[in-house]
Amino acid sequence: EIVLTQSPDTLSLSPAERATLSCRASQTVTSNYLAWYQQKPGQAPRLLMYGASTRATGIPDRFSGSGSGTDFTLTISRLEPEDFAVYYCQQYGTSPYAFGQGTKLEIK
Amino acid sequence: EVQLVQSGAEVKKPGESLRISCKGSGYTFTNYWISWVRQMPGKGLEWMGRIGPSDSDTDYSPSFQGHVTISADKSINTAYLQWTSLKASDTAMYYCARNNWPLDYWGQGTLVTVSS
Repeated sequence: EIVLTQSPDTLSLSPAERATLSCRASQTVTSNYLAWYQQKPGQAPRLLMYGASTRATGIPDRFSGSGSGTDFTLTISRLEPEDFAVYYCQQYGTSPYAFGQGTKLEIK
Repeated sequence: EVQLVQSGAEVKKPGESLRISCKGSGYTFTNYWISWVRQMPGKGLEWMGRIGPSDSDTDYSPSFQGHVTISADKSINTAYLQWTSLKASDTAMYYCARNNWPLDYWGQGTLVTVSS
């Protein structure tokens, strides 16, 4: 089964800065079926990105995704206060459809 | 509007059984699989398994196979997650989500607390 490792575990940045989150897979992710989710405290996760680089409906264009094979990146170009949350990647190409352990993006 | 509405919070004792539910609306329920995701207190997301409501075909993570049962009743657009004998380690928030691969709509979560 594919294991996803996210880095860093915690990222401390200020509003307006650029955030770069990494997700590395233990095996090639089929067809780049890699999604990113955002979760805020007390809320269900929200889909941000799928197919590694396609924004979900309503997601602002400051969010972008890239990568292929085993290495994927979520970039937030200019952080807004509402972007501070936990971010998870998930591969949905091969069952079991594991999540990464998450990256907490916190205000510096 | 697509919605997944989950049943309310539960407090149970070890050894008890439990079934929680997830009702879909605003779309054709049988056209999309439903996944269940566990989140233990202060921890990350874990994919448990999924069900195809049209024929109740299931696909479990090896980590959860044999510990839970996923089922569905397409006549009432509802998916279920069931335990026959709860343990304290089952204490968690459980989410259902629609598989449009990826998981595009999520329920609000059901908090399950298992304590003696």
